[in-house]
Amino acid sequence: QKEVEQDPGPLSVPEGAIVSLNCTYSNSAFQYFMWYRQYSRKGPELLMYTYSSGNKEDGRFTAQVDKSSKYISLFIRDSQPSDSATYLCAMKGNTPLVFGKGTRLSVIA
Amino acid sequence: DAGVIQSPRHEVTEMGQEVTLRCKPISGHDYLFWYRQTMMRGLELLIYFNNNVPIDDSGMPEDRFSAKMPNASFSTLKIQPSEPRDSAVYFCASGTSPQETQYFGPGTRLLVL
Repeated sequence: QKEVEQDPGPLSVPEGAIVSLNCTYSNSAFQYFMWYRQYSRKGPELLMYTYSSGNKEDGRFTAQVDKSSKYISLFIRDSQPSDSATYLCAMKGNTPLVFGKGTRLSVIA
Repeated sequence: DAGVIQSPRHEVTEMGQEVTLRCKPISGHDYLFWYRQTMMRGLELLIYFNNNVPIDDSGMPEDRFSAKMPNASFSTLKIQPSEPRDSAVYFCASGTSPQETQYFGPGTRLLVL
């Protein structure tokens, strides 16, 4: 089993839809959980950062961590065409970041 | 700040040639990371440095790969000799600790023919 599993998509949704992106992981030592957004031909940029379990909200974005299930989610409300990108989950304990392969999202106007 | 700077942005070379990728981290960041990204394997950590010293190079795929950081503002990733399977996007990232945010450069797209 890979340390971090993420459905690669692609995921295509209409503008205004609620998007749910997810990752599962196997290493119970992971304490820090992040979501990076990567536009085409660009480097990843940090979108959300949470420590341990719980929810964190930032504008239209909400990150959830369920450590008991080893499951993290990113929700995007009122999705916009500008949200079209690849979203990578990342997590770590005492080691450097481990990334998921990314989910490609397309928001259609 | 200009962010993490990488050069070249694109590199096309022939199998067997030496390739050198360059990175300038964000000033004040004492961690530097080299990643490789492919469709098949996603984003893989190759090596990372702290205060110019290599800390973990377990992700370096083969002896053909080497990385150096001669000073706080410059790092290189060298592939010698290059092979077609090395074709990928190589990212450099910097940060203030492995736990904190990593800031990525724009990447170098490498194609080995």
